[in-house]
Amino acid sequence: DAGVIQSPRHEVTEMGQEVTLRCKPISGHNSLFWYRQTMMRGLELLIYFNNNVPIDDSGMPEDRFSAKMPNASFSTLKIQPSEPRDSAVYFCASSFGGRAGRNEQFFGPGTRLTVL
Amino acid sequence: GENVEQHPSTLSVQEGDSAVIKCTYSDSASNYFPWYKQELGKRPQLIIDIRSNVGEKKDQRIAVTLNKTAKHFSLHITETQPEDSAVYFCAASSDKIIFGKGTRLHILP
Repeated sequence: DAGVIQSPRHEVTEMGQEVTLRCKPISGHNSLFWYRQTMMRGLELLIYFNNNVPIDDSGMPEDRFSAKMPNASFSTLKIQPSEPRDSAVYFCASSFGGRAGRNEQFFGPGTRLTVL
Repeated sequence: GENVEQHPSTLSVQEGDSAVIKCTYSDSASNYFPWYKQELGKRPQLIIDIRSNVGEKKDQRIAVTLNKTAKHFSLHITETQPEDSAVYFCAASSDKIIFGKGTRLHILP
């Protein structure tokens, strides 16, 4: 198994532009998590899906952020419009089993986003 | 809101000595406590986890203890080696998972 796949690995964009981050979870996993990591705020859970359904999006910073999971093998995190304070590493993770990350989460390599 | 506090934020220990990282959580419904290790520029990876029906778990040089009454849990690394240098995150999970801010562990030669 290739593990969790994220694209792009690096993204540099200008303020105001739309950014779309993509994630392919491990086959057979039914929970998917999006995290944001910064030096100041650490590792923050943004949203998680169970069986393709968003369960908890309370970590999504504001309406500029949205996430979708149209099927079991694909998810997107969109920022529109992007702002410099969105610069961070965004991780996607997947796990098998019940809700809320009660089993090992496997992280993707992350997308390093820089908003100028 | 629910919170996980992790201490210390930075820890330096001599190679071969032990390292201890401590976490406290606020949600008494938490029942799963994983620890992740993140090397520089890499992704977090699970190193050990413990569930609320167990007080201690050990895997070679790594052990975790859980005190549900006090709502705290700790990671113990014995006989530290240079490859243990990394950032370590604790987490507590009930209906949602919350991570601590991380501990940067330096192993000194």
